[in-house]
Amino acid sequence: NFILTQPHSLSASPGETVTISCTRSSGSIASNYVQWYQQRPGSSPTPVIYEDHRRPSGVPDRFSGSIDTSSNSASLTISGLKPEDEADYYCQSYLATVHVVFGGGTKLTVL
Amino acid sequence: EVQLVQSGAEVKKPGATVKISCKVSGYTFSDYYMHWVQQAPGKGFDWMGYVDPEDGETIYAEKFQGRVTITADTSTGTAYMELSSLRSDDTAVYFCAGRSMSSTSLDYWGQGTMVTVSS
Repeated sequence: NFILTQPHSLSASPGETVTISCTRSSGSIASNYVQWYQQRPGSSPTPVIYEDHRRPSGVPDRFSGSIDTSSNSASLTISGLKPEDEADYYCQSYLATVHVVFGGGTKLTVL
Repeated sequence: EVQLVQSGAEVKKPGATVKISCKVSGYTFSDYYMHWVQQAPGKGFDWMGYVDPEDGETIYAEKFQGRVTITADTSTGTAYMELSSLRSDDTAVYFCAGRSMSSTSLDYWGQGTMVTVSS
């Protein structure tokens, strides 16, 4: 088994760029795709990145994803921050391609 | 438009069983695995398991194994999650989420069902 570790919280100002990390504790980050979900307060989650770096239709290109095997981590980068980007963000991957593993979530505050 | 509509909030006593439904519209029910995810108040997500509606095969998380049963009724396009031997730390919002068999992400989510376990 492995865990995905995210920073508990981040804050940035409108227009800035923020990067949320997701570090895998064991096994290669590249061995299973990473997804990212946005959950606004009181709402259900929606995917913003799948297969490490792909954006679902309708997600603005301000959202980008990547993985870094040297740090064994995935990253979600949001550029040109807007107030509506304020939300909780969760990374997600798979154990043995079947079992879903979520990161603990990062609360993003747009000041 | 894809919709996953879950049943309403529940209040249960410790030791009881809860069964939540998730009715799908807008996509072919059997083309998507149906996952269930727990979110305790103010906390992150705990994956519970999923069902393949095509053949009823299930996979459960170790944490919930033995207490959770996930089923799918293809005739009505509805998935169910039953959790037994409820305890206070099962108080949470439970989400259903559909994942296409050709996708890696949980593409569509229900609105969530709040379950409160209290004596």
